[in-house]
Amino acid sequence: SYVLTQPPSVSVAPGKTARITCGGNNIGSKSVHWYQQKPGQAPVLVIYYDSDRPSGIPERFSGSNSGNTATLTISRVEAGDEADYYCQVWDSSSDHNVFGGGTKLTVL
Amino acid sequence: QVQLVQSGAEVKKPGASVKVSCKASGYTFTSYGISWVRQAPGQGLEWMGWISAYNGNTNYAQKLQGRVTMTTDTSTSTAYMELRSLRSDDTAVYYCARVYMATVVTPAHFDYWGQGTLVTVSS
Repeated sequence: SYVLTQPPSVSVAPGKTARITCGGNNIGSKSVHWYQQKPGQAPVLVIYYDSDRPSGIPERFSGSNSGNTATLTISRVEAGDEADYYCQVWDSSSDHNVFGGGTKLTVL
Repeated sequence: QVQLVQSGAEVKKPGASVKVSCKASGYTFTSYGISWVRQAPGQGLEWMGWISAYNGNTNYAQKLQGRVTMTTDTSTSTAYMELRSLRSDDTAVYYCARVYMATVVTPAHFDYWGQGTLVTVSS
């Protein structure tokens, strides 16, 4: 089955740029979606189709996808961005959705 | 506005079954799918499967095949997830999520989520 690999944690100072990666075999050929989850809350879609932002999501959130790595980039990080972030793809070979293991973003 | 409202918390004994509901509003129910995702305490998101509200077709995660059934009631715009033969490691928060369809048969992302339902399995 298809596997998505994320770093368990990323730390960044306020105002800096955070990059969260999601690795998978030829992931660049798939559509990658990203979710933010704060403690005790349901996940929220922050990026879909690699780089599109839902309405209401700040422009500071962006995404890219190429080769074996997709990346969620958060510019000018704020304390309120501290959360767990998950990548997700639809694996057509298994007809299954797959989530990455999640990355905890800590704002120093 | 789109809303998914789930049923309340459940406590079950090992071997029992649980059925969680997810009532949708604010959109045409049959134009999207519903997926179920669970999250064990302190763990990541686990996809359980999805159902097309258009035609009732289902697709379940391999590890849950035979124990899970997803259904919809289009007359009330409600989706249901039943999990049988519960074990302690089924203790989790269960989420329903609206599935945006890339094509009629291919799901894409989950654009709206329910508030979650805590299911506790304990003797």
